Amino acid sequence: EDKVVQSPLSLVVHEGDTVTLNCSYEVTNFRSLLWYKQEKKAPTFLFMLTSSGIEKKSGRLSSILDKKELFSILNITATQTGDSAIYLCAVPGTTSGTYKYIFGTGTRLKVLA
Amino acid sequence: DSGVTQTPKHLITATGQRVTLRCSPRSGDLSVYWYQQSLDQGLQFLIQYYNGEERAKGNILERFSAQQFPDLHSELNLSSLELGDSALYFCASSSSGGGNGYTFGSGTRLTVV
Repeated sequence: EDKVVQSPLSLVVHEGDTVTLNCSYEVTNFRSLLWYKQEKKAPTFLFMLTSSGIEKKSGRLSSILDKKELFSILNITATQTGDSAIYLCAVPGTTSGTYKYIFGTGTRLKVLA
Repeated sequence: DSGVTQTPKHLITATGQRVTLRCSPRSGDLSVYWYQQSLDQGLQFLIQYYNGEERAKGNILERFSAQQFPDLHSELNLSSLELGDSALYFCASSSSGGGNGYTFGSGTRLTVV
């Protein structure tokens, strides 16, 4: 069964700290891995990692994919209170012809001023 | 504003009742996905429609049904509601099969009392 597991479940840090969020996955036919940020309501897209794009960076956020060990990490450097959110990781399930994403339960990050 | 519109934003109803949640996808997107998010389960895939046809099904209860209309808006019908159906229901859309991820709406918070 396709599965995505995120850790830690929650994290509290102070502004300026660096955090690393983990996502491990099990899927029969890997195609991609996505990271989303969920603040108040709608998850918003951060990164997509694929076999041809295993490292992405945007400002203070970066992510890498390890296809051999079946995990990804999301790093946030110099955290700010605005980074407080739930971070979700997702992979498309095995069903061919469609992208039915399987989401992890998320990591709830709280950044204290 | 993500471009995906969900109504209503909040809904409070009694057990045994039936409700309809509505979603208008982003302009040009043909695929609509429905997800349920509860505190302990994370985002759970319910169903996908592509250009009016059902494309994929997740763990959607028999009490739940959905459809996508010719104008591409979608409705999720929840009947014989139980307390455990209380959750955030998200609609997402994508331009094709979802290979580049989804755009989520702001969700409908359903509370069953």
